[in-house]
Amino acid sequence: AQSVSQHNHHVILSEAASLELGCNYSYGGTVNLFWYVQYPGQHLQLLLKYFSGDPLVKGIKGFEAEFIKSKFSFNLRKPSVQWSDTAEYFCAVNAGRDDKIIFGKGTRLHILP
Amino acid sequence: GAVVSQHPSRVICKSGTSVKIECRSLDFQATTMFWYRQFPKQSLMLMATSNEGSKATYEQGVEKDKFLINHASLTLSTLTVTSAHPEDSSFYICSARDPGIQSKGELFFGEGSRLTVL
Repeated sequence: AQSVSQHNHHVILSEAASLELGCNYSYGGTVNLFWYVQYPGQHLQLLLKYFSGDPLVKGIKGFEAEFIKSKFSFNLRKPSVQWSDTAEYFCAVNAGRDDKIIFGKGTRLHILP
Repeated sequence: GAVVSQHPSRVICKSGTSVKIECRSLDFQATTMFWYRQFPKQSLMLMATSNEGSKATYEQGVEKDKFLINHASLTLSTLTVTSAHPEDSSFYICSARDPGIQSKGELFFGEGSRLTVL
């Protein structure tokens, strides 16, 4: 069965710091990978996704993620975070012929002004 | 992007009663919708896949008779928590995939419904 692991449960950074959130998945075949964000009081929204092609994916608000197949990873990065990036971030995977998307446990990011 | 709406956003009920939560895709037709449950400080747990015109597919460990799912039309799926108990208190989120080409299979989420069972 497919699963998603996020290594950091809670991350605290100062503004302008660089960000990297880890995500690993377990599935040997073709995968579609996603990062979703949930801002305080709002519903989940898509940050970026990887289906195929260039493994370096650029999303909204300056976020990017790199798919490394050999490491089963899809880490999220941002060179310089802002206070408004305070939110919870979820990595998710859709694998094989399944239509469903499985989520990691999420990483709560807190940016200090 | 596509819009998915849930109703009600908050509901409080007494133990033993049933509660219905609606999930609507407002500007697209969704043959498949997904119901998730989110515990405090935890991830979204997929409960079931709701299929229009057929039975829902439940994940392992989710009680079918407890969480009734009906997908009566291409824009509406309902989740009914039957004989609710305090342990059913949670945040329930629905999502749907817009089959439109532009969306490329992206999943769109409702606002969520917070259920509190007294």
